[in-house]
Amino acid sequence: QVQLVQSGAEVKKPGASVKVSCKASGYTFTSYYMHWVRQAPGQGLEWMGIINPSGGSTSYAQKFQGRVTMTRDTSTSTVYMELSSLRSEDTAVYYCAREGVVATVAWYFDLWGRGTLVTVSS
Amino acid sequence: QSALTQPASVSGSPGQSITISCTGTSSDVGGYNYVSWYQQHPGKAPKLMIYDVSNRPSGVSNRFSGSKSGNTASLTISGLQAEDEADYYCSSYTSSSTYVVFGGGTKLTVL
Repeated sequence: QVQLVQSGAEVKKPGASVKVSCKASGYTFTSYYMHWVRQAPGQGLEWMGIINPSGGSTSYAQKFQGRVTMTRDTSTSTVYMELSSLRSEDTAVYYCAREGVVATVAWYFDLWGRGTLVTVSS
Repeated sequence: QSALTQPASVSGSPGQSITISCTGTSSDVGGYNYVSWYQQHPGKAPKLMIYDVSNRPSGVSNRFSGSKSGNTASLTISGLQAEDEADYYCSSYTSSSTYVVFGGGTKLTVL
């Protein structure tokens, strides 16, 4: 069925990096952009960036520029989000979320992964 | 502080209707029809309920409807049911380098 399966929870020390994966299945991977959204404990949603799985182009929220890298592997239908220089404020659940419109961007998310908890603690 | 302003909580009795507001600016909600709404139950991923201001995805109950006037978008839930109790978030495209902004979320309690 159509789904996004994310990698498991991570615990990292401040200053380290984390790489979260999101494997798509049930649809044509390269036809839909993919977003990353995070949610700190008890807080709201925060958009991080978007990747075009077809060409690999990316756009990031200014807040994360220089710290986030989104990549994809078309052979495994997987997108990745790597966040570096981690600090305690980066503790959150990280979601991948599929763009709702095929082949373009309409800035809504119709399919979500279950989320990956990243804990940053010394 | 979130870019879009939502009430922290709303409540209603089963069968009633409630409306959740989402106020932004002309750079986001007022300037584009890229407003969407998400329902999130505790410990679960968000679920798309409304996109492009007022469109409902397949499978979402027609008790959910969306609208927009100026810089304020609204989500209305009619015929409240116990299963509607959840957090609701609005989202909009923004012309700033943030690209997408969310509201702070509204906790809906069904009394």
